[in-house]
Amino acid sequence: SQKIEQNSEALNIQEGKTATLTCNYTNYSPAYLQWYRQDPGRGPVFLLLIRENEKEKRKERLKVTFDTTLKQSLFHITASQPADSATYLCALGGDYKLSFGAGTTVTVRA
Amino acid sequence: DTAVSQTPKYLVTQMGNDKSIKCEQNLGHDTMYWYKQDSKKFLKIMFSYNNKELIINETVPNRFSPKSPDKAHLNLHINSLELGDSAVYFCASSHFLAGEVGADTQYFGPGTRLTVL
Repeated sequence: SQKIEQNSEALNIQEGKTATLTCNYTNYSPAYLQWYRQDPGRGPVFLLLIRENEKEKRKERLKVTFDTTLKQSLFHITASQPADSATYLCALGGDYKLSFGAGTTVTVRA
Repeated sequence: DTAVSQTPKYLVTQMGNDKSIKCEQNLGHDTMYWYKQDSKKFLKIMFSYNNKELIINETVPNRFSPKSPDKAHLNLHINSLELGDSAVYFCASSHFLAGEVGADTQYFGPGTRLTVL
């Protein structure tokens, strides 16, 4: 069966440190992968997209890697800030839809 | 201006009732979606429409009926509500149909929290 697993439900880190989130998948062949941020009581907001032929993408303090051999994406938030506290969702694109993981909740302590 | 809007934000109703949720996008997108987010936070696709045509019906009970009067609107009608329907429902839109090469990102509405008593 198809699965998308994001590492531990919650991640607590100190301000200034790097948060690393993992997204592993099985029985998918995604054409691309996206990361979204979701704040409590709000809809997800798009952050980054990486295609299957790309290894790495960056946007400001965010970095995403995509390894189709390992079937894994890593999402990094460098120099984290309390404002980065949110739930981060990975989503795989294919078969005319996005399939989401359950998300990892990140809390950045000041 | 809100890009994707949904009404109502909260909906509390009794089992067996019929209710509707409305969604509108002003982004000029061709594709709209309905998602359900359950208590475990899984966001699951229910329906997608492209140019008012139903593309995906993800094995949703036929008590749920989407209606797209035009490209900017996708409403969700639910008949005979059940306890298990309690969740947050999100509408979303994108330029292209998700999964196509070069597909665009999705823009989500604020969600409608449905509670069935």
